[in-house]
Amino acid sequence: DTGVSQNPRHKITKRGQNVTFRCDPISEHNRLYWYRQTLGQGPEFLTYFQNEAQLEKSRLLSDRFSAERPKGSFSTLEIQRTEQGDSAMYLCASSRGTGGSYEQYFGPGTRLTVT
Amino acid sequence: AQTVTQSQPEMSVQEAETVTLSCTYDTSENNYYLFWYKQPPSRQMILVIRQEAYKQQNATENRFSVNFQKAAKSFSLKISDSQLGDTAMYFCAFPGTSGTYKYIFGTGTRLKVLA
Repeated sequence: DTGVSQNPRHKITKRGQNVTFRCDPISEHNRLYWYRQTLGQGPEFLTYFQNEAQLEKSRLLSDRFSAERPKGSFSTLEIQRTEQGDSAMYLCASSRGTGGSYEQYFGPGTRLTVT
Repeated sequence: AQTVTQSQPEMSVQEAETVTLSCTYDTSENNYYLFWYKQPPSRQMILVIRQEAYKQQNATENRFSVNFQKAAKSFSLKISDSQLGDTAMYFCAFPGTSGTYKYIFGTGTRLKVLA
């Protein structure tokens, strides 16, 4: 169990550019979540996958955001035409799919700064 | 709407003392889990303790314990014998509607342990 990893850890981009983040969950976890956390706030849910199926998207996930999880393994989150309001920490988490306490294991996050 | 409220933005405690962080939530669910997560500065979020709503006994994990009042929808975290390493943001989290598993987080309490 190597934990949830995210890459890159930091990303600085200019407004209007596209960015893509990657998340590698714990290998036996079939649920994967994306959250966004702004300074001084708790994380806010963006979307989640069960295996390769994207089962729920938050209204926070505008048309400029897209997430994928091909083959139910790693996931990518892409933001197109970035805006300054997209600056935040993007957190990925994973969990086991059946029963249990639904505990989510979090990655270190990708901090996005849009200039 | 399901919500989680943490009314203490910041708290401080002397090393070796006890501190209690409060959390209230709102749900119409009957069976659910509640979690406290810790986010140290510039480090990833880790689970501190979980509580199953159908269990009347309060959860305990070493120096961490909860006071769970289901009727009052209150879930406070008590940290005993506070250590410098306990300095972090603490988030109360609730999985929201049964079956979705997405977390709803409070806004967090920044705890500083003073030497």
